[in-house]
Amino acid sequence: DVKVTQSSRYLVKRTGEKVFLECVQDMDHENMFWYRQDPGLGLRLIYFSYDVKMKEKGDIPEGYSVSREKKERFSLILESASTNQTSMYLCASNGQGVYQPQHFGDGTRLSIL
Amino acid sequence: QKEVEQNSGPLSVPEGAIASLNCTYSDRGSQSFFWYRQYSGKSPELIMFIYSNGDKEDGRFTAQLNKASQYVSLLIRDSQPSDSATYLCAVNIEKGAGGFKTIFGAGTRLFVKA
Repeated sequence: DVKVTQSSRYLVKRTGEKVFLECVQDMDHENMFWYRQDPGLGLRLIYFSYDVKMKEKGDIPEGYSVSREKKERFSLILESASTNQTSMYLCASNGQGVYQPQHFGDGTRLSIL
Repeated sequence: QKEVEQNSGPLSVPEGAIASLNCTYSDRGSQSFFWYRQYSGKSPELIMFIYSNGDKEDGRFTAQLNKASQYVSLLIRDSQPSDSATYLCAVNIEKGAGGFKTIFGAGTRLFVKA
């Protein structure tokens, strides 16, 4: 089974802090994704990566950056956290090929105070 | 028009009934279709996938795909209260050069009343 592990289930940070969310997958997947999910807004793609050191902006990249130094690890960085970044953050991964589903981690519920 | 559309619900069915969840998509380049179940406060969990026109059954779940009409549906037979969740439809669309993108619908909330 695919295992996608997010470093924290719950996280509380303060406004202006630099926040790191970590995600590790164990299936040698090429593609990794970061989403945020808010009530009534569905899943919104922040960034994705299709290879080591490669990244592409999703639909809502403002205020975020990412890092993929190793194939199994994809980090989301909030450069200067703001209260409107309070949300559920979900990491996902999948392999190459149009028939591959995404597999999700357990999510990190981030609160910015 | 959204690329993947679902009725937000809530859809309410009595225990033991068939729950029918629908999803329409706009891009005819869509190649593969997935259903995820998401319990409140949890992450989406893959429950079904379908690639070809017709029906695909797995236990109490049946996925149906009609590419001509551009819809995919999920039927849940003998619905149980534990099936109460939000169901997300997802579609993989080829972009060319071997690449593809995944589009998620906003989800349909299902309540199964005991």
